[in-house]
Amino acid sequence: NAGVMQNPRHLVRRRGQEARLRCSPMKGHSHVYWYRQLPEEGLKFMVYLQKENIIDESGMPKERFSAEFPKEGPSILRIQQVVRGDSAAYFCASSPPGQGGLTGELFFGEGSRLTVL
Amino acid sequence: SQQGEEDPQALSIQEGENATMNCSYKTSINNLQWYRQNSGRGLVHLILIRSNEREKHSGRLRVTLDTSKKSSSLLITASRAADTASYFCATSNSGGSNYKLTFGKGTLLTVNP
Repeated sequence: NAGVMQNPRHLVRRRGQEARLRCSPMKGHSHVYWYRQLPEEGLKFMVYLQKENIIDESGMPKERFSAEFPKEGPSILRIQQVVRGDSAAYFCASSPPGQGGLTGELFFGEGSRLTVL
Repeated sequence: SQQGEEDPQALSIQEGENATMNCSYKTSINNLQWYRQNSGRGLVHLILIRSNEREKHSGRLRVTLDTSKKSSSLLITASRAADTASYFCATSNSGGSNYKLTFGKGTLLTVNP
């Protein structure tokens, strides 16, 4: 019973390039969440998606960041024209249908660590 | 200070001792959770306590919640070297959505063998 799978685990980009991070939720989970962890900080909510729908993107920066969760395939967090301040660990979490909203327990992946040179 | 702030920032103890970490928050909550993160890894859910609960146990873990003081504590009894990790509290604010957790900066616990 695989957990939340994220890839790549580590990604290095130069300023101005694009970063694309992938997340496959746990089997049976249909809710996906992205969180960002800056160095020495706690996690901060970015976006909540269900299949083909963005439910809440209140934590997403207004520019350069986008997220999707297509009908088929993993959820993708895309960062265009990366800057040094985007260097962080990006965590994906998932929850079963209906349960995330009720209990709040999220199942996290191992994270993708982005370094912008 | 920010919502879900842990204290102390770092704690070093000997194996077998108990470790207590505290968390303070500012707004009313639906529930409060504790997560653990090993260095360079993802977060592992430890325990969730609802706003109408005062204490909860899970194995060697004991969590208390005092909504009047807006604080929670996590006690790990009979600590082991494998408990070395960062521990985060996360709150789900009342009136908000349970998935939108607010994390503190964490307490780094080191258990020396």
